[in-house]
Amino acid sequence: DVKVTQSSRYLVKRTGEKVFLECVQDMDHENMFWYRQDPGLGLRLIYFSYDVKMKEKGDIPEGYSVSREKKERFSLILESASTNQTSMYLCASSASGRAADTQYFGPGTRLTVL
Amino acid sequence: RKEVEQDPGPFNVPEGATVAFNCTYSNSASQSFFWYRQDCRKEPKLLMSVYSSGNEDGRFTAQLNRASQYISLLIRDSKLSDSATYLCVVRASNTGNQFYFGTGTSLTVIP
Repeated sequence: DVKVTQSSRYLVKRTGEKVFLECVQDMDHENMFWYRQDPGLGLRLIYFSYDVKMKEKGDIPEGYSVSREKKERFSLILESASTNQTSMYLCASSASGRAADTQYFGPGTRLTVL
Repeated sequence: RKEVEQDPGPFNVPEGATVAFNCTYSNSASQSFFWYRQDCRKEPKLLMSVYSSGNEDGRFTAQLNRASQYISLLIRDSKLSDSATYLCVVRASNTGNQFYFGTGTSLTVIP
């Protein structure tokens, strides 16, 4: 079974803090993704990566950065957290080629910025 | 315009009922289609891929109409355990193969 883990289920931070969200997958997947999920807006892609040290902006990258130093780990960084970044953050991974059609999600991190 | 649009519901149906969800997508270059299921406070999980010829998996049937850019999911003989949010997902080759998610349709199956 594919396992995608995220470092925290719940996180509370203050405005202006630097926040790190970690995601690790154990299936040697090439592709990794960070989404945020908000009521009425669904899942929106923040950043994704198709390989180590490679990153691509998604639909809403502003205020975020990412790091992929190792294949199994994809980190999302909020450089200076703001209240409008309060959300559920979901990490996902997928294999390449035809198998890229299936995304496996982590349990999510519910971030509250005060 | 949103890439993927779904009726948010909620759909409240009795056990044993048949229920259908619809979804439309805007990018004509979309090439892969899926239904994901998301339980309350859980992550989305793949329910089924949707193929051009339509496909069935037990009580679940998915249909694709490329001409109308429309996807459907039919659930027959609803069970209490089917209560969840169903997400329509599309993937297009001309957008870097990104996945686009609908906002989801909420289903509650009532005893």
